[in-house]
This record gives sequence, C-alpha cells and structure tokens, in this order.
Amino acid sequence: AQRVTQPEKLLSVFKGAPVELKCNYSYSGSPELFWYVQYSRQRLQLLLRHISRESIKGFTADLNKGETSFHLKKPFAQEEDSAMYYCALKGYGQNFVFGPGTRLSVLP
Amino acid sequence: NAGVTQTPKFRILKIGQSMTLQCTQDMNHNYMYWYRQDPGMGLKLIYYSVGAGITDKGEVPNGYNVSRSTTEDFPLRLELAAPSQTSVYFCASSTWDRGQLGSPLHFGNGTRLTVT
Repeated sequence: AQRVTQPEKLLSVFKGAPVELKCNYSYSGSPELFWYVQYSRQRLQLLLRHISRESIKGFTADLNKGETSFHLKKPFAQEEDSAMYYCALKGYGQNFVFGPGTRLSVLP
Repeated sequence: NAGVTQTPKFRILKIGQSMTLQCTQDMNHNYMYWYRQDPGMGLKLIYYSVGAGITDKGEVPNGYNVSRSTTEDFPLRLELAAPSQTSVYFCASSTWDRGQLGSPLHFGNGTRLTVT
C-alpha cells in the first residue's frame, strides 16, 4: 500500500534557523516524491520534485530509499516560508498520495 | 493559459441542498482529480478521471458524484449536502502517457464549502 507520513503537524523555528520537515513513505516499487507548498489561502503549488534534484527558494530534498524518507531542508528559514507543506508520493501511473501536512511557522 | 479554474470560490449550503462544483483546465491534461482538505487531515482523494468518459472512486467518494464528458471539465456534484461535507475542495489535473514520466499535479484555487 502507498502511504506518506509527516510526523510533525506544526513546526516553529526562528528566522535564520535551519529547518527540516520530515517525510517518510511506504511503497513497494520505485516512487516519485514531491513537496507541495500552500501559502495562506492560496492554491497548492509544486515546490520540489525529487527527480529534478534542484533547489527552489533555498529548499532541497533528497530521496533516501534505504530510510524511505524525503525530508525537506533549508539552511536559513525566512518569514515568507511560513506555510503548509505537503509531501506526496506518485506510484504507478498518476496515482498521488499526500501526507497530512506540516505547518511551518517562522518566527521573527 | 489559465491552468485549473474552479468555481465558485465560496458557498454556503443548507443540509439537504445540492450543488455542483465546477472545474475546468486548459492544459489538455488527461488526468483530473477532486480532493477535499480538512484541517489537520491533509488531502483526501474523492474521485479521479483518467480521460473523457472514465471516472473512478478515490478514498472518500460517498456523497459525491462526478462526470467527465470532455477533457477540459470535471464537475463534482453533491446531491444531499451534509455538515460532514464542510471542507475546502481542490480540483487538480495532470498528464501522463504510458512509458512517460508524467507531470506533477496542477491545482485550482479551491472552493470553500460550508454546510449548515
């Protein structure tokens, strides 16, 4: 079965501090992993896709197949990073499964 | 190129009323989806469609119906609204051909529905 877990419902950090949002998944095949971000009262938008291996807005995420994780990291958090973050897994075809989300709050 | 467009943005329904949430996309995506977003619960898939004329149930389909008569449109119907259907509804689309990578999901702005 496909499953995505995000253990933290809320994560609060101070501006300039490092941030790591955790994501673990279960899937029997080779998944594709994504991070989506939702700013206040806006639509969900793609932040990162693991196959792209790029850094967006200073965020990076590495797929660790051994630990079945895809944690999102940023070395220096900014106040504008405050948002809801969803980890998602795509299995065969276009079947997407989302985690419950982590609300990141960056304090001044 | 508007992407995924949802209407209305907000709606208040009385228990037992019916309504249709509209969703249209102009990206020629073959896959379309309806999700509901409840506080602290993430996104739950209601229904999805892999192409015109084909729909299938997701995780939480009870109380909803969909149709996909064209590639562009994927309306979601609530027949007898219940308070448990109070939520934010997101329509999304993506594209995939067998053997290809497939696109990420593209979301609409959402419809905030309250049933009282």
